[in-house]
Amino acid sequence: DTGVSQDPRHKITKRGQNVTFRCDPISEHNRLYWYRQTLGQGPEFLTYFQNEAQLEKSRLLSDRFSAERPKGSFSTLEIQRTEQGDSAMYLCASSLSRGGGETQYFGPGTRLLVL
Amino acid sequence: AQSVTQPDIHITVSEGASLELRCNYSYGATPYLFWYVQSPGQGLQLLLKYFSGDTLVQGIKGFEAEFKRSQSSFNLRKPSVHWSDAAEYFCAVGASGGSYIPTFGRGTSLIVHP
Repeated sequence: DTGVSQDPRHKITKRGQNVTFRCDPISEHNRLYWYRQTLGQGPEFLTYFQNEAQLEKSRLLSDRFSAERPKGSFSTLEIQRTEQGDSAMYLCASSLSRGGGETQYFGPGTRLLVL
Repeated sequence: AQSVTQPDIHITVSEGASLELRCNYSYGATPYLFWYVQSPGQGLQLLLKYFSGDTLVQGIKGFEAEFKRSQSSFNLRKPSVHWSDAAEYFCAVGASGGSYIPTFGRGTSLIVHP
């Protein structure tokens, strides 16, 4: 068990550019979540996958955001035409859904700064 | 929908003193409850969780939390704080029915004085 990994750890971009983040979950976990965390706040849910299916998206996830989990393993989160308000920590978490309570395990996050 | 309130933005304690971080939740049924810790620039690490059963839950690093249904609370405690406990602490509540997506509180920043 190597834990949840995220790449890159830090990203600086100019407003209007596109960025893509990657998350590799714990290998046997079937659920994968994306969160956004701004300074002084807790993580806010963006979207989640069960295997390769994207089951729910938050209203926070504007049309500029898209997430994929093509083979039910790693996931990518893309932000198009970045805005300064997109600056935040993007956290990925994974869990094993067994039909009852489940525990999310978080990656180290990708910190995005939009100039 | 569920919600979480962590009423204390900052807590300052002396090393060796006891600690209690407050968490109140709102949810219509029995919730799933979690405490996570986050060090600067890092992801969240699970300290402990409550799903059912014994309302006093033991976690890692000497932490414990007690689920009190009558008070809708899940406060985190530690009898003796170490300087390395300085971090941000997040309480989260998950729905026990329907789609499982936990809601996080805004966090409590713990400052430890030597």
